[in-house]
Amino acid sequence: EIVMTQSPATLSVSPGERATLSCRASQSVRSDLAWYQQKPGQAPRLLIYGASTRATGIPARFSGTGSGTEFTLTISSLQSEDFALYFCQQYNNWPTFGPGTKVDIK
Amino acid sequence: EVQLLESGGGLVQPGGSLRLSCAASGFTFSSYGMSWVRQAPGKGLEWVSGVSGSGGSTYSADSVKGRFTISRDNSKNTLFLQMNSLRAEDTAVYYCAKDDSNGDYGPNWFDPWGQGTLVTVSS
Repeated sequence: EIVMTQSPATLSVSPGERATLSCRASQSVRSDLAWYQQKPGQAPRLLIYGASTRATGIPARFSGTGSGTEFTLTISSLQSEDFALYFCQQYNNWPTFGPGTKVDIK
Repeated sequence: EVQLLESGGGLVQPGGSLRLSCAASGFTFSSYGMSWVRQAPGKGLEWVSGVSGSGGSTYSADSVKGRFTISRDNSKNTLFLQMNSLRAEDTAVYYCAKDDSNGDYGPNWFDPWGQGTLVTVSS
């Protein structure tokens, strides 16, 4: 099983600031990496797949980079609706998810 | 618009069984792999099972192998998860999710997800 880790567990950011979330895989997953956003009481929503391709309808302030074992999700200027939980998921092997990073208001 | 609507969750005793359903609409159901992903209360996400668009290939996490069975009825655009020998640690919200591909080589990323159905295993 490929183990995914995320850091930090919680990120406190002011609206308008930049947020940088990290995701690491226990072995290379090439670019087979997706990012999801989840708000309380809601299902996850796909943001990024293929490590860097934005899903349909996702604003350009969300960007993903990385390959192999190290990945980053950047939110360039946080809006109020972006405060949420973010998960990474690899699909190079049987899907596994990271534990999540909570982005909250500073 | 793609819509996924789960049903069938509820309270069940340890050792019991439950069958979840997911009604799909807004896309050619038989062309896409589908998966079940669960989330224990206050916890992260765990992929449970996946099935190819044709239904000919199924995949399951080790934690549920031999207890859970995924299937689909393409004539009714419905995905199922038969859960037997349920344990307390199976307590979670169960989401069905559409794969980006036909699933012949296993699941990829998931988009979209249903709203989830809660399964509680407790005596």
